[in-house]
Order: sequence, then structure tokens, then C-alpha cells
Amino acid sequence: DAGVIQSPRHEVTEMGQEVTLRCKPISGHDYLFWYRQTMMRGLELLIYFNNNVPIDDSGMPEDRFSAKMPNASFSTLKIQPSEPRDSAVYFCASSSDGRSYNEQFFGPGTRLTVL
Amino acid sequence: QKEVEQNSGPLSVPEGAIASLNCTYSDRGSQSFFWYRQYSGKSPELIMSIYSNGDKEDGRFTAQLNKASQYVSLLIRDSQPSDSATYLCAVIGDGGATNKLIFGTGTLLAVQP
Repeated sequence: DAGVIQSPRHEVTEMGQEVTLRCKPISGHDYLFWYRQTMMRGLELLIYFNNNVPIDDSGMPEDRFSAKMPNASFSTLKIQPSEPRDSAVYFCASSSDGRSYNEQFFGPGTRLTVL
Repeated sequence: QKEVEQNSGPLSVPEGAIASLNCTYSDRGSQSFFWYRQYSGKSPELIMSIYSNGDKEDGRFTAQLNKASQYVSLLIRDSQPSDSATYLCAVIGDGGATNKLIFGTGTLLAVQP
């Protein structure tokens, strides 16, 4: 298995531009998670999906952030408009079932820089 | 109070020594606990999980859990320079009712050759 795939790996954009991050979970995994990591706040859960349905988006910082999962093999995290404070590494992770002790596997991340 | 707390370090140990990493959590209902290793510029990688009180050993790694004290630790025996990384403690939040992982800010471990 190729693991969790994310694209792009690096993104540099200017303030006000729209940014779209993409994720392909591990085949057969039915949970997908979006995290953001910064030096100041560490690793934070933004939103997670179960069987393509958003379950908890309480970590999404504001209305500028949105996430979709149109099918079991693809998810997007969109920021519109982007701001310099959105600069961070964004990770996607997936897991195989809903039991609370399930293990999450992380993708390589997208390093976002907003100028 | 943060939900998951770790000493940020750096924790410096000589090669071959035992590294002890500690973590406390605030949600008494938590049932599942994880240790992730993150090398600089890389993604977190799961190295240990523990769900019951006591010790769980896997090679050079031992996870210890004490739910009464809300404390989980990771011991790394015979530390190697390749163990130098940030170690993230993670707990399933919401009393275990969901899959939400709550992470600590991590402890930076430096193993000196």
C-alpha cells in the first residue's frame, strides 16, 4: 500500500489567494482526519470524516476553512481567502474503523506558506 | 489546563542509556493512548499504543500507563542517535466516545553519540 498521499507537498501563496490541499487515504480506511501543526500550537485536529461524512469540525478555525470528502478515496481542505497566520504544515491521516483504540496513519504533509 | 501535557525538552541522553518520556492527560474517561515519533520535517509515525494499566513492551520501547494518576510514559532502552526525534503523546479524547486524537506538544529527544 502506498500509504496516505497528500498534494502538493509545498505551497507558497500570497495573502488573499485560495488554497486547496488534497488527500488520498489508505485504501479501505473509512476514517479521514485533517490536522494542522505549528510550533506555537502543536498538532491540532481540524476535522474528521467517517465514510465520507464530516463528523466533527469543531477544530476548524473559522469560516475561511472548508473540507470535503466526495468519495472514499479523496478529500480536500480549502482555505479562502488565505492569511499569513494560516502558514503551517497540514497533515491528513486515515484509520480503518471506528473503535476508539484505532491507529491513525499520517501522510507526508503539505507545508503551506502564505506571504 | 492543557488536555495532554508533555515537557518540551530537549531531553538529552547518552547513547546506550534509557530515555524516559512522560505525559499527563486531563480526561479521566480516556481509554486509548499512543506514542508517535516525529523526525524533523517528517510526519508523525505511530510507535506504541497502550490501552490497559501497566506496561507494554515492544523491542526497545516500553509504554507505561497509570489511569489513576492519569499518566503515561515511554521508555526507550539502549538509546541510539537514530532515536533523536520529537515524541508526541496522544490520547483519544471525548472520553473515548470518538476517534479524536488529542496530542501533546511533544518532547524533543537528543541522543548523544
